[in-house]
Amino acid sequence: DAKTTQPTSMDCAEGRAANLPCNHSTISGNEYVYWYRQIHSQGPQYIIHGLKNNETNEMASLIITEDRKSSTLILPHATLRDTAVYYCIVRVAGGTASKLTFGTGTRLQVTL
Amino acid sequence: DGGITQSPKYLFRKEGQNVTLSCEQNLNHDAMYWYRQDPGQGLRLIYYSQIVNDFQKGDIAEGYSVSREKKESFPLTVTSAQKNPTAFYLCASTGRALPTEAFFGQGTRLTVV
Repeated sequence: DAKTTQPTSMDCAEGRAANLPCNHSTISGNEYVYWYRQIHSQGPQYIIHGLKNNETNEMASLIITEDRKSSTLILPHATLRDTAVYYCIVRVAGGTASKLTFGTGTRLQVTL
Repeated sequence: DGGITQSPKYLFRKEGQNVTLSCEQNLNHDAMYWYRQDPGQGLRLIYYSQIVNDFQKGDIAEGYSVSREKKESFPLTVTSAQKNPTAFYLCASTGRALPTEAFFGQGTRLTVV
């Protein structure tokens, strides 16, 4: 699975959009981008995934560049409850599972 | 409701003792994973299993062992050979159907004294 690079930490004011970047320059054509978040001392929670088109669900939006070498997770109106560590991973989806590797993620701090 | 269950939530053991952490899922997922997380750090993969009776080492397998005798269960044994066993341990599973996102348990916090 391709490796990802994320900033170590970011701050965001409550009510503003949080934009979390991720670089995955070695992504393969059949690898999807997944985002998870981990609130302190809990198991990570799936947020969203995409292959090459932008995606939106009730939690967030995912913007993937045309060359697929980077992506951005957008939390449109961040709240204090969005304070967490956000992980971006890339892996082949469907079929026989491959190794599922997480990096160190981005620690997002939402402030008043 | 379908989900993945880890037990116990907190576990204390004396140094030199082996300890087994439980992970059970009723999601009918083929693949299961074990991770270790140290304070302020990311998740590091210990072992993973793609099907019953088969498993592969992850990035930090030394001092750990696993078994996968049933699809639903993937127990992790922390052996006395693991030099720094105190950590937060997370179990996850993934299915075959898209989007094949990972489901995680709530973790077991192991403290070795």
